[in-house]
Amino acid sequence: AQSVTQLDSQVPVFEEAPVELRCNYSSSVSVYLFWYVQYPNQGLQLLLKYLSGSTLVKGINGFEAEFNKSQTSFHLRKPSVHISDTAEYFCAVNRQGGSEKLVFGKGTKLTVNP
Amino acid sequence: EAGVTQFPSHSVIEKGQTVTLRCDPISGHDNLYWYRRVMGKEIKFLLHFVKESKQDESGMPNNRFLAERTGGTYSTLKVQPAELEDSGVYFCASSQVAGLGNYGYTFGSGTRLTVV
Repeated sequence: AQSVTQLDSQVPVFEEAPVELRCNYSSSVSVYLFWYVQYPNQGLQLLLKYLSGSTLVKGINGFEAEFNKSQTSFHLRKPSVHISDTAEYFCAVNRQGGSEKLVFGKGTKLTVNP
Repeated sequence: EAGVTQFPSHSVIEKGQTVTLRCDPISGHDNLYWYRRVMGKEIKFLLHFVKESKQDESGMPNNRFLAERTGGTYSTLKVQPAELEDSGVYFCASSQVAGLGNYGYTFGSGTRLTVV
């Protein structure tokens, strides 16, 4: 079975500061990795995904994430955040070759303050 | 292209009542998924339809939950009778073909269910 741990439930930062949202996963088999974002009153939107290849993945809105197999991590980063990045961010995994279900972490609420 | 539509957006019901949530996937999407997020917990998979067939219902919590997808178009999720622990946000997602690695899902905005 797979599990995902998002180490921070809330992350407050100031506008234009860098941010890192941490995600660790546990799985005995290979997985695909995802970050989703939920803006207020909206659905989940895919930010980026890691399938294979380069461990640094770039997504929408200037976000990127790095897959680290040895540390089983997939941390999300942005060098300079905007007020509009205020949202809840979810890390998720899917077992390669398995069923279509995603296993999510508990989410991290990012609040960007002026 | 219209997105995944869920309604109602909010529902408040009393314990013991019945509630039916509806999801309209993107037109042409054969795969439809239901997920649930109970307050403070992870978003958890409930089930996966391929057209009108249940491909995987391993996440359905108990027999008070009934999901249907007649005709392979929209889906309903009925909770009968509702209990307090059923409160949460119910998400629906759809995809044209299976294969999360390549295609991903499109999620709806969710239905917030409150059982009092």
